Amino acid sequence: ELKVEQNPLFLSMQEGKNYTIYCNYSTTSDRLYWYRQDPGKSLESLFVLLSNGAVKQEGRLMASLDTKARLSTLHITAAVHDLSATYFCAVAQQGGSEKLVFGKGTKLTVNP
Amino acid sequence: EAGVTQSPTHLIKTRGQQATLRCSPISGHTSVYWYQQALGLGLQFLLWYDEGEERNRGNFPPRFSGRQFPNYSSELNVNALELEDSALYLCASSLLWDRGVPEQFFGPGTRLTVL
Repeated sequence: ELKVEQNPLFLSMQEGKNYTIYCNYSTTSDRLYWYRQDPGKSLESLFVLLSNGAVKQEGRLMASLDTKARLSTLHITAAVHDLSATYFCAVAQQGGSEKLVFGKGTKLTVNP
Repeated sequence: EAGVTQSPTHLIKTRGQQATLRCSPISGHTSVYWYQQALGLGLQFLLWYDEGEERNRGNFPPRFSGRQFPNYSSELNVNALELEDSALYLCASSLLWDRGVPEQFFGPGTRLTVL
């Protein structure tokens, strides 16, 4: 059974600092997703990572995937308050089931 | 392009009642997914429909059911409501691999409260 672990679950940062969120998964997969959720809102798609070594960047966020280590990272550069949200990674079960298994989420708070 | 839409936004029911939640996918998407986001339990996969057929089901009891209509919209029905069914229910839609990158786009959700 596919299990997805994120850490840390809570992250309090100062503006301007860098930090990394980690996402480990237990079985082989061909896709990994990162989503953002603001309080009381739905999920916003951030990145889709499809292959080993994939790296994608959008603004202050950069995501990478190491399929051999079954690890994805979401790196935050020079954090700003607007990045405060909960970030989820989700892994698709291999074999075309299209079921996404989500991590528990990382609640990020960026303080001035 | 319109995103995934869900109705109603909020739904309040009492124990034992039935709830019906609705979802319209992004135009051109044939797959619809349902997820439950309950406090303390995280996001859990409920159901996946594609081309009118149920393709996969999560670890939920049979009182959670749904269907997909010919226009690809979907309904989630929850019978015999229990207090622990209170949650945000999210619908997502996507294309499948043979039609593009299977990225799931989420709707705003229906918040179901069971009293």
